[in-house]
Formats: sequence, C-alpha cells, structure tokens
Amino acid sequence: LAKTTQPISMDSYEGQEVNITCSHNNIATNDYITWYQQFPSQGPRFIIQGYKTKVTNEVASLFIPADRKSSTLSLPRVSLSDTAVYYCLVGDPPFGKFYFGSGTKLNVKP
Amino acid sequence: SQTIHQWPATLVQPVGSPLSLECTVEGTSNPNLYWYRQAAGRGLQLLFYSVGIGQISSEVPQNLSASRPQDRQFILSSKKLLLSDSGFYLCAWSVQRGGPNTGELFFGEGSRLTVL
Repeated sequence: LAKTTQPISMDSYEGQEVNITCSHNNIATNDYITWYQQFPSQGPRFIIQGYKTKVTNEVASLFIPADRKSSTLSLPRVSLSDTAVYYCLVGDPPFGKFYFGSGTKLNVKP
Repeated sequence: SQTIHQWPATLVQPVGSPLSLECTVEGTSNPNLYWYRQAAGRGLQLLFYSVGIGQISSEVPQNLSASRPQDRQFILSSKKLLLSDSGFYLCAWSVQRGGPNTGELFFGEGSRLTVL
C-alpha cells in the first residue's frame, strides 16, 4: 500500500547539497508530504512536512511543485552524520495511517 | 513533554513460543498508536493502528495481534511465533486531529526480536 517511490540509494560527499526526490503520483487533495530520517537500530525521526510550494526549517528544505505529484528533500552541506535512510510519506495527518516506502539510503563520504 | 517507552529492547524466542511487547506513552492523551515492523535491511511495515481504547485496525493478516487496554498503552502479542516474525518492532504515536505537531510520528526505542 506504499504510495511513494524513491531511489534506493544515493552517494554524496561531505559539504555537498543533497536532493532526494520522491514520486507520489496518486497523492490525494488532503494529503501532506512528510520526510523522516532513520539511523540503524533506531526509530525514524521527523525531518520536515509540507503541503505545497516550499517549506524550510533548520535542517532541511522541502520543495513541492504545483501538481504535488513529487517532492524533493534538500539537505544543505551534508556531513558524515547524515548517512541514514530517508523516507517520504504521504497521508492525511489527522486521520493518519502512515505507510513507509522502501526509503533512500544516503551514504555520505569524506 | 511527551515520551514513549517500549520494552523489552531485545529478546530471543524459540519458534512456537508466545510474545508480548509493550508500549506506553506519557505526557499526552488520546494519541493515535501504531506498531511497525522492520525486517533486516527493509522499510517499515505498518502492523496495527489504534485511534482509541479497544479500537484496533489490523493492516497485515498474520499470527500477531494488538490490544489497547488503556489510552496510552499498546501491546503487541503472539500466541505462537514464526521464524518470519523476526525483526525490529517499533511503537509510535501521533497527535489526533487538531493538536499541535499533527502528522508527526514519534517513535519508541524499538524492540529487536530474534526467533530461532
């Protein structure tokens, strides 16, 4: 029942900006887009959430085009500690059943 | 502030034995509660979802069950474990409609189950 598609893995180097794109062609009108980060043997941690256009917080930006069929998580100047799996979810938060896709494994190299 | 606890952190069980994992949330009321399972190297699979006491939605037909005897307590059980039940089990909560941080899942520390 996963509604999202992401690249399986990505490589980057310290100091670079990383953009991870998620496809959600069947997103519903009331759905929000949420991104999580997961380290091994830990529960996922909320990164950012948005509905349309651009959202920015202290750790990331989220870009959502007008048709909302995709979204891009942007991590500025990544470090080794950003090596993790990143998940994109879509859903209507107040009624949330949240389904995780396969996620994108980001490997940051020195 | 809100916190979530789940236990035990690690357990090794023989095939056919029972299972009980417990999760409690503090500092909030009427949370949505979730059980997820993560097999090695895989994504998170939603197992159960609850919007209130005694209200359980099962996402995957299997030999697992869940119960919510109190508002902030969520229990995952099995009468007879299978090898395929091995994995990392995560409890999570979210705010119901109208609360702050709506849409954000807060996860426990996880319980790693190995079935031999």
